[in-house]
Amino acid sequence: NAGVTQTPKFRILKIGQSMTLQCTQDMNHNYMYWYRQDPGMGLKLIYYSVGAGITDKGEVPNGYNVSRSTTEDFPLRLELAAPSQTSVYFCASRKGTSGRAWETQYFGPGTRLLVL
Amino acid sequence: QKEVEQDPGPLSVPEGAIVSLNCTYSNSAFQYFMWYRQYSRKGPELLMYTYSSGNKEDGRFTAQVDKSSKYISLFIRDSQPSDSATYLCAMSTGGGATNKLIFGTGTLLAVQP
Repeated sequence: NAGVTQTPKFRILKIGQSMTLQCTQDMNHNYMYWYRQDPGMGLKLIYYSVGAGITDKGEVPNGYNVSRSTTEDFPLRLELAAPSQTSVYFCASRKGTSGRAWETQYFGPGTRLLVL
Repeated sequence: QKEVEQDPGPLSVPEGAIVSLNCTYSNSAFQYFMWYRQYSRKGPELLMYTYSSGNKEDGRFTAQVDKSSKYISLFIRDSQPSDSATYLCAMSTGGGATNKLIFGTGTLLAVQP
């Protein structure tokens, strides 16, 4: 198992450009998450999905979009990049067994994004 | 007031020391408490979880929850240089997907050989 994989590892974007951050998991997990991590700010939830075709907003969804057409993939789209979106982005997944909040969330290695 | 507060450190200790990492929280509905470890330039990984109040031990690590004080701790005994990482506390009110994890800002720990 590769676990959770993310591409690219690092990207520089110009203001106003668009890009898609890719996330794939091979553990047949139902729940998937996108977080951003800024220095001194901890992890903030952007969007999450409980299964293919179902997504919902997290704490900081503005400026982002997601889709979940398959169980394995959960891409994050930035439409008009802004300097405030400079961050490290982590994708995570967990099995989604009912009632188990302590289920391990497995994180990918992250994508470092710099918007100039 | 933030829902979860965590001292950012950095915390530097000699090898073999006992380390205490702490978080406070304001939401009394939190029931599930977790500690994640994050090595530099890597994603977080779950270290320990605790449900409600009490202690839980796993090898050199002990997680402690005091719901009356809204305070959780992670103790590391006989700390090793390989324990050098950022430690994030995380909490949740329940088990479904809509009960999302709220993370602390993380404490950077350096264990000096």
